Amino acid sequence: DVKVTQSSRYLVKRTGEKVFLECVQDMDHENMFWYRQDPGLGLRLIYFSYDVKMKEKGDIPEGYSVSREKKERFSLILESASTNQTSMYLCASSLSGAVRTEAFFGQGTRLTVV
Amino acid sequence: KQEVTQIPAALSVPEGENLVLNCSFTDSAIYNLQWFRQDPGKGLTSLLLIQSSQREQTSGRLNASLDKSSGRSTLYIAASQPGDSATYLCAVKVGRDDKIIFGKGTRLHILP
Repeated sequence: DVKVTQSSRYLVKRTGEKVFLECVQDMDHENMFWYRQDPGLGLRLIYFSYDVKMKEKGDIPEGYSVSREKKERFSLILESASTNQTSMYLCASSLSGAVRTEAFFGQGTRLTVV
Repeated sequence: KQEVTQIPAALSVPEGENLVLNCSFTDSAIYNLQWFRQDPGKGLTSLLLIQSSQREQTSGRLNASLDKSSGRSTLYIAASQPGDSATYLCAVKVGRDDKIIFGKGTRLHILP
């Protein structure tokens, strides 16, 4: 079974803290994604990585950065957490450029910034 | 820019009914379309994947169709059950840059 594992289910952080959300996949997928999900807004793409050390901004990259030093791991970094970053964060992975393959998601991290 | 729309946003139906969820997308240059299920507070579970060259896929009581030229997909659920209550999301894999773009989902409630 493909597994995408996010390091935490729930996190509570203080405003101004630096926050790391970790995601690991075990299927040797080239592509990895970070989304946030908010009521009424759906899933919005924050960042996308198509290979080690390669990244591309999604629709809402402001206030976030990412790191992909190894193929299996994709980290989302909130440089200075703010209350408007309270959200559900979802990580996904998929093979590159392939028609037949699915995207697989982690279980999500519910982040609350107080 | 690819946009994905799901109608309706919410749906309540009595148990046992057949139902159809709709998804439309603006750019037909997709690799595939995927339907997901999401339970409250949880991640996404993949239900069906339709490749761009396919017209439909079936899994148990679920059937998904794809009409790429018109930018539409439907998810048909037969003989609905209370356990089908969840949010259903469709997503397209965009051909040019491998991104996956989501609709906002349909929140389905099956009444016992």
